Amino acid sequence: GENVEQHPSTLSVQEGDSAVIKCTYSDSASNYFPWYKQELGKRPQLIIDIRSNVGEKKDQRIAVTLNKTAKHFSLHITETQPEDSAVYFCAAQEGKGNYQLIWGAGTKLIIKP
Amino acid sequence: DVKVTQSSRYLVKRTGEKVFLECVQDMDHENMFWYRQDPGLGLRLIYFSYDVKMKEKGDIPEGYSVSREKKERFSLILESASTNQTSMYLCASSSHGREQYFGPGTRLTVT
Repeated sequence: GENVEQHPSTLSVQEGDSAVIKCTYSDSASNYFPWYKQELGKRPQLIIDIRSNVGEKKDQRIAVTLNKTAKHFSLHITETQPEDSAVYFCAAQEGKGNYQLIWGAGTKLIIKP
Repeated sequence: DVKVTQSSRYLVKRTGEKVFLECVQDMDHENMFWYRQDPGLGLRLIYFSYDVKMKEKGDIPEGYSVSREKKERFSLILESASTNQTSMYLCASSSHGREQYFGPGTRLTVT
């Protein structure tokens, strides 16, 4: 079946530095790629998403880039802060038209003071 | 503001019991989903529904069934609970092709 691979599984960065999380997907028909953040004990929440007709999207300190040819997309967080500590999930929407998301396994981001 | 609610935050059941987990959304979303979340395994789809009375199996449907009699409500049923079904269960809803909104989760323990 279709899958999404996410790396790294754990990322530790110094406060103020940048963090990058990468995902690759297998379904060439996928056209919607959301990123979710899940803080400890809380529900996952959308932080940014991108559709296949754009290559990059930015929202303050976070940005997502998409390379459809290579079938990979990345989350970039600049000037990291303690509140960025969380698990981040990438996903790709199945191209079959049923709106199901195929999820990456998650990245635990640790911000060191 | 979208609200997705789940019937319980914590639930403790005995092996063999029938368990009902209920999810309600208030945004008239067509799609609803049940996930299971275990440490290191991410979000695994159990079942989803794209319309009333419609359902499709996800990646791990064994041991589960679902019911969607009304658009706003999606129930997950464990016919005979087993210890390997101890987990966090998350419900989500979405409108076609858009963001999935998650409920707060139900932490189920089967003893």
